[in-house]
Amino acid sequence: EPEVTQTPSHQVTQMGQEVILRCVPISNHLYFYWYRQILGQKVEFLVSFYNNEISEKSEIFDDQFSVERPDGSNFTLKIRSTKLEDSAMYFCASSEVTEAFFGQGTRLTVV
Amino acid sequence: GIQVEQSPPDLILQEGANSTLRCNFSDSVNNLQWFHQNPWGQLINLFYIPSGTKQNGRLSATTVATERYSLLYISSSQTTDSGVYFCAVEETSGSRLTFGEGTQLTVNP
Repeated sequence: EPEVTQTPSHQVTQMGQEVILRCVPISNHLYFYWYRQILGQKVEFLVSFYNNEISEKSEIFDDQFSVERPDGSNFTLKIRSTKLEDSAMYFCASSEVTEAFFGQGTRLTVV
Repeated sequence: GIQVEQSPPDLILQEGANSTLRCNFSDSVNNLQWFHQNPWGQLINLFYIPSGTKQNGRLSATTVATERYSLLYISSSQTTDSGVYFCAVEETSGSRLTFGEGTQLTVNP
């Protein structure tokens, strides 16, 4: 069964460093998303991407964040200068039009 | 934006018991999904159910879109059902999912 895959599963980074989180969405899907979940809290929307551009972003998605679809299969989230409060589980998701499917997540720890 | 409320926030059951989880939403939606977050943090799709009733094994879900709520039923619960259950709604096609706060379910042996 097709699935969304994310790498790495865990990442520890120093405050101020740049990190890139990678995702391979389901191949025939058109919409791509990043969400995050701070430990013990609900899942929050960051950004959606359609037709090679950002279609919607939340107030969390400020200038330190960027997304890219560098080729036909990968979808990346870059955090330019990480802060302690960026520590969270980051989920990539994709959908054809309706039902969204989530990857297993990348747990980011900023120290 | 749309508000999503889930109840109860916590639920403790003995193995074999049945339960009902509720999700209320504040506006009309294009999509509603139920997820199970397992102890490893993975979000597992349970149901895509913008309206009507669906069943999958011991789990079933009903969404009454006109009254803006959805229910998730778990029958004959097992310890592996433990985890957090999230309801999430999408206002328009292809847009963001807005998640509720979740119901933390613990099933004891």
